[in-house]
Amino acid sequence: AQKVTQAQTEISVVEKEDVTLDCVYETRDTTYYLFWYKQPPSGELVFLIRRNSFDEQNEISGRYSWNFQKSTSSFNFTITASQVVDSAVYFCALSEGGTSYGKLTFGQGTILTVHP
Amino acid sequence: EAGVTQFPSHSVIEKGQTVTLRCDPISGHDNLYWYRRVMGKEIKFLLHFVKESKQDESGMPNNRFLAERTGGTYSTLKVQPAELEDSGVYFCASSQLPGRGQSYEQYFGPGTRLTVT
Repeated sequence: AQKVTQAQTEISVVEKEDVTLDCVYETRDTTYYLFWYKQPPSGELVFLIRRNSFDEQNEISGRYSWNFQKSTSSFNFTITASQVVDSAVYFCALSEGGTSYGKLTFGQGTILTVHP
Repeated sequence: EAGVTQFPSHSVIEKGQTVTLRCDPISGHDNLYWYRRVMGKEIKFLLHFVKESKQDESGMPNNRFLAERTGGTYSTLKVQPAELEDSGVYFCASSQLPGRGQSYEQYFGPGTRLTVT
């Protein structure tokens, strides 16, 4: 069975600091997809990124970057020069290929608080 | 383009009562998912529709939960009778229908916060 672990329950940083959110996953499938979602105080889950298991290239989008390493089953998320607006709960999720039809398995979430 | 919408945003009911949650997916999205987050725990999958058909309902907790998707458009999730442990935030998500072995990102609604007292 698949599992996603976000060991950091809460992280608190000061504005402009860099912060990395950890995500470790378990799956028996060779084809799978990894996601990050952001849940701001308003409550909705906002899609940030999707990676498939065959693409280990790191990705950068503005201040956000993601490090996917199959060797350690990790998909970490780094925010560079954090801002107060980055304060939210961040969820890592896994979707297996094959017949899972996109069902997401979520980690427990990491609460990020960025102080001014 | 409108996102996923859910109604109501918050519902407070007494144990034993019935509640119906509604989800309107993004237009054209054949996949519709329901998830639930009980306080302090992770978001858990409940069930998945492809158009009007239930593809996977392995996450439904018990037979007090009934989900429908009329005509492959909006979906409802009914809890009858509600129990205290049903309290939590119920999320709906939708996505395009992927090809074999693929997975598209799911777009989530704002959730319905259900409180059973």
